[in-house]
Amino acid sequence: DAKTTQPNSMESNEEEPVHLPCNHSTISGTDYIHWYRQLPSQGPEYVIHGLTSNVNNRMASLAIAEDRKSSTLILHRATLRDAAVYYCILRKTSYDKVIFGPGTSLSVIP
Amino acid sequence: DSGVTQTPKHLITATGQRVTLRCSPRSGDLSVYWYQQSLDQGLQFLIQYYNGEERAKGNILERFSAQQFPDLHSELNLSSLELGDSALYFCASSAVTTSGSTDTQYFGPGTRLTVL
Repeated sequence: DAKTTQPNSMESNEEEPVHLPCNHSTISGTDYIHWYRQLPSQGPEYVIHGLTSNVNNRMASLAIAEDRKSSTLILHRATLRDAAVYYCILRKTSYDKVIFGPGTSLSVIP
Repeated sequence: DSGVTQTPKHLITATGQRVTLRCSPRSGDLSVYWYQQSLDQGLQFLIQYYNGEERAKGNILERFSAQQFPDLHSELNLSSLELGDSALYFCASSAVTTSGSTDTQYFGPGTRLTVL
């Protein structure tokens, strides 16, 4: 199973952009990159996913390296509500085991 | 609100007992996932069902079992409970349609199980 590595924690000032990195050096050509986040006392929620091209949605942007061995989740303007644990996971198909690592705990400073 | 409901919200029981956790997926979602989250183990995938059939299995103990019913709701049964089974149990659902696609999972609020 392809693994991902993320920093344990990061800090950001409110209203500034945040770049959350994820390394997945053993990624295969058919692995999709998914990001989820978990706010305190809540279940995880989907943020974004992609395969090869960069992706944007209302929550965030996903920048995928050309060799696909790393990706970056970009929050364009961090708010206090974005303080959460962010998980980067890989999945080939919808029937693969789902492996969540420890994620990155993001703190947002007012 | 993700549209996924889980009952009960909290459950307190004793070692050796058996409990059943229930999950109702979002309307139209055919796939259900179960996860366990404890402080020392993080978020662990247990099992996935698709339209009533088991599709993927993670680190699910033999004391645990799950099923998905014809109305698509799912139950996770935990038996011979141990102190270490105390955790948050999350259910997620997705609209999986083909084996070649990847899906977005929508998580419920979780059931907090405390084993005394």
